[in-house]
Amino acid sequence: EVQLLESGGGLVQPGGSLRLSCAASGFTFSSYAMTWVRQAPGKGLEWVSALSGSGAGTYYADSVKGRFTISRDNSKDTLSLQMNSLRADDTAVYYCAKFGWGSNCDSTSCYGNFDYWGQGTLVTVSS
Amino acid sequence: DIQMTQSPSTLSASVGDRVTITCRASQSISSLLAWYQQKPGKAPNLLIYKASSLQSGVPSRFSGSGSGTEFTLTISSLQPDDFATYYCQQYNRYSPWTFGQGTKVEIK
Repeated sequence: EVQLLESGGGLVQPGGSLRLSCAASGFTFSSYAMTWVRQAPGKGLEWVSALSGSGAGTYYADSVKGRFTISRDNSKDTLSLQMNSLRADDTAVYYCAKFGWGSNCDSTSCYGNFDYWGQGTLVTVSS
Repeated sequence: DIQMTQSPSTLSASVGDRVTITCRASQSISSLLAWYQQKPGKAPNLLIYKASSLQSGVPSRFSGSGSGTEFTLTISSLQPDDFATYYCQQYNRYSPWTFGQGTKVEIK
């Protein structure tokens, strides 16, 4: 059974930093691209960042480029999101998700749907 | 970026109704479209991928159709467990992933 468990959320002041983690199990982690998607309170879904299975290909939404860094440790089946220079509009539930069947993600391009999602972790940016 | 527009934003329906949700892309995405169901306080759940392929474990009352810029999600006979918010998502290779704004299916 595929399981994704996020951690690391919490309250942080504007300009601060936070590191989210996602522990994966139930599949061959290194074989799949992974992604982060967020959802502000009462709002829709917003894609944040994606990472190829090898870690060679990284992709970011314009809204977080230069501030967030996605990474993975395939020896520990763990996905991470380092978030710096946080702003109030980064407040959201952050979900990690696994790319689904038929996806293709490498260092030059990346596409696919997201077939399994974690339960999410809440990040609140406020003074 | 490719914009995804869903209609309607809210839909009131009764158990047993046939329900259709429409999603329109700002440019052609071939069949690279997925549909997700989300219940309050829960993560999204993949229903349909590649516009019309049913994800494993999803009831057959859900179906998807369309290609290019126009897509639909149909629930053939609405069940109590289906009251939720539904999102479409495009995953074109050359554009960041984008979602529709969501369609909330409410009890009439």
